[in-house]
Amino acid sequence: AAGVIQSPRHLIKEKRETATLKCYPIPRHDTVYWYQQGPGQDPQFLISFYEKMQSDKGSIPDRFSAQQFSDYHSELNMSSLELGDSALYFCASSLAGQGIKGYTFGSGTRLTVV
Amino acid sequence: GQQLNQSPQSMFIQEGEDVSMNCTSSSIFNTWLWYKQDPGEGPVLLIALYKAGELTSNGRLTAQFGITRKDSFLNISASIPSDVGIYFCAGLYSGNTGKLIFGQGTTLQVKP
Repeated sequence: AAGVIQSPRHLIKEKRETATLKCYPIPRHDTVYWYQQGPGQDPQFLISFYEKMQSDKGSIPDRFSAQQFSDYHSELNMSSLELGDSALYFCASSLAGQGIKGYTFGSGTRLTVV
Repeated sequence: GQQLNQSPQSMFIQEGEDVSMNCTSSSIFNTWLWYKQDPGEGPVLLIALYKAGELTSNGRLTAQFGITRKDSFLNISASIPSDVGIYFCAGLYSGNTGKLIFGQGTTLQVKP
């Protein structure tokens, strides 16, 4: 079965640079969630989209923005990168109305800021 | 801020032993979830609990949703080396958009 695809898997950037992370949800899933997991930490919710509209917002820095496109894939744009942005970034997708059933995480993008 | 308190933080056990971990919260959750995360991978759902008092099993795993909807435990029986990983509890509010609140995680190591 198709899973949530994230790219790239690994990314190294320098401070103050910009990064774009991509997420391709499971086919027919209409909702996408982004989480940030720092070293030794639990995943923290950043933002979510349903039918291309932002549906919820967590502790996402103003330097970050995200959107969901017409094909339901999502991109997380991160600017003015800081050392503290180094983390695993997970995307998850689900189908609205199914609750937690089918809520699936991708394998993540490991961002290292040097 | 952090709303789920998960314990223990880490466990080092012998293969074949049973394991128990739990989560408590100051908030009431509509759904309680247990995930396992392997290094460098995303969390994988183990068990989902929907009703207060619900006891659910998935193979050697058993989890229960507390009566108050503010706590849950996960038991792993007869542990094996592939049980190694980080286990997270997570809560989902009623009417929520799907945002999950995670516990701090329990790191499990199994000695063959």
